[in-house]
Amino acid sequence: GENVEQHPSTLSVQEGDSAVIKCTYSDSASNYFPWYKQELGKRPQLIIDIRSNVGEKKDQRIAVTLNKTAKHFSLHITETQPEDSAVYFCAAAMDSSYKLIFGSGTRLLVRP
Amino acid sequence: DGGITQSPKYLFRKEGQNVTLSCEQNLNHDAMYWYRQDPGQGLRLIYYSQIVNDFQKGDIAEGYSVSREKKESFPLTVTSAQKNPTAFYLCASGSNYGYTFGSGTRLTVV
Repeated sequence: GENVEQHPSTLSVQEGDSAVIKCTYSDSASNYFPWYKQELGKRPQLIIDIRSNVGEKKDQRIAVTLNKTAKHFSLHITETQPEDSAVYFCAAAMDSSYKLIFGSGTRLLVRP
Repeated sequence: DGGITQSPKYLFRKEGQNVTLSCEQNLNHDAMYWYRQDPGQGLRLIYYSQIVNDFQKGDIAEGYSVSREKKESFPLTVTSAQKNPTAFYLCASGSNYGYTFGSGTRLTVV
């Protein structure tokens, strides 16, 4: 079955700097890759997603890139702000099932 | 809760007791999912259902059971066979536009 690995497990950046979180997946049939943000004690919220027919997608300060050949995708947050501090999860799924398999999460801390 | 409601928010279970967590959605999604989250860890799939009256085991189904009698509802029962049930349980419903999560149920064994 699908396996998703996520790195780093923790990331601390200065406010205004960029943050990058990387994920790799094992099943080449996966074609949907969302990213979720989870604040303490709350439910995960979708922040951006990408499908395998595109290589990059951007939404204001957030971007996701996908390399299908290498089977990895990354989340990029620019001009980080303290409210970006949270746990971020990547996930992968196939269109046929939409069964999301999640990475282990990255705890991002943005220092003021 | 953005169209998907979990209840209760907190639940306490005694040793040897079965408990049922409720999940209801009004998003008209065919697919529904249950995940378990342990402190500081990721989300692990317990069960999922892509259509009414059908469901499949996820990665950690032992000690849990589900039913899907209605499109809107996907309750999860934590049985006495689950030896370490203390965790945060998240229900989700999905479409090709992604998942929507409920607000979760925090289960504690007392």
